[in-house]
Amino acid sequence: GQQVMQIPQYQHVQEGEDFTTYCNSSTTLSNIQWYKQRPGGHPVFLIQLVKSGEVKKQKRLTFQFGEAKKNSSLHITATQTTDVGTYFCAGRGQGANAGKSTFGDGTTLTVKP
Amino acid sequence: GAGVSQSPSNKVTEKGKDVELRCDPISGHTALYWYRQSLGQGLEFLIYFQGNSAPDKSGLPSDRFSAERTGGSVSTLTIQRTQQEDSAVYLCASSLGRYNEKLFFGSGTQLSVL
Repeated sequence: GQQVMQIPQYQHVQEGEDFTTYCNSSTTLSNIQWYKQRPGGHPVFLIQLVKSGEVKKQKRLTFQFGEAKKNSSLHITATQTTDVGTYFCAGRGQGANAGKSTFGDGTTLTVKP
Repeated sequence: GAGVSQSPSNKVTEKGKDVELRCDPISGHTALYWYRQSLGQGLEFLIYFQGNSAPDKSGLPSDRFSAERTGGSVSTLTIQRTQQEDSAVYLCASSLGRYNEKLFFGSGTQLSVL
């Protein structure tokens, strides 16, 4: 079945440093979404990428979808303490895998002030 | 309601008992998902409902787990003969439909099996 892998599992940074998390799917995706889960909270939708090679920006966050639509990344420039949380990617497959989003295991970001 | 509502927020039960977890999705959302999240772990897919189609039950870990969705709205996840390994946060999410996949999550039910 479809698998979505995310690295790294944990990332500790000093405030102001950049952060990147990577997501890789075992199969070609129709789209990919990114969610953020604050400690003690529930996942909250950040963005969806659909097109091959797509790049989207939200302030200090940059999201990319690979040309082959099998990988994606989230990059945060100049992290702030408010960026703390776990970032999940969720890939929706094609064909038989199109019905549900498969989540990666997440990358937990901690930011030292 | 304004968001996805789950109840109870916390449930403590004894091993072997049955539990029911409820999810009330956003009005008008035709897709509903159940996920399970163990402490510090990712989201494990359990079941997916889309409109009147047969649910995708491929993520249910055993036949002790079942779910239904009545009238295309409220969903109930039932765990029979609970085991300690069932302890986790059970998250429900809904979306507008098959081709609008932005998931709105509820706050979850923290299940503790003693």
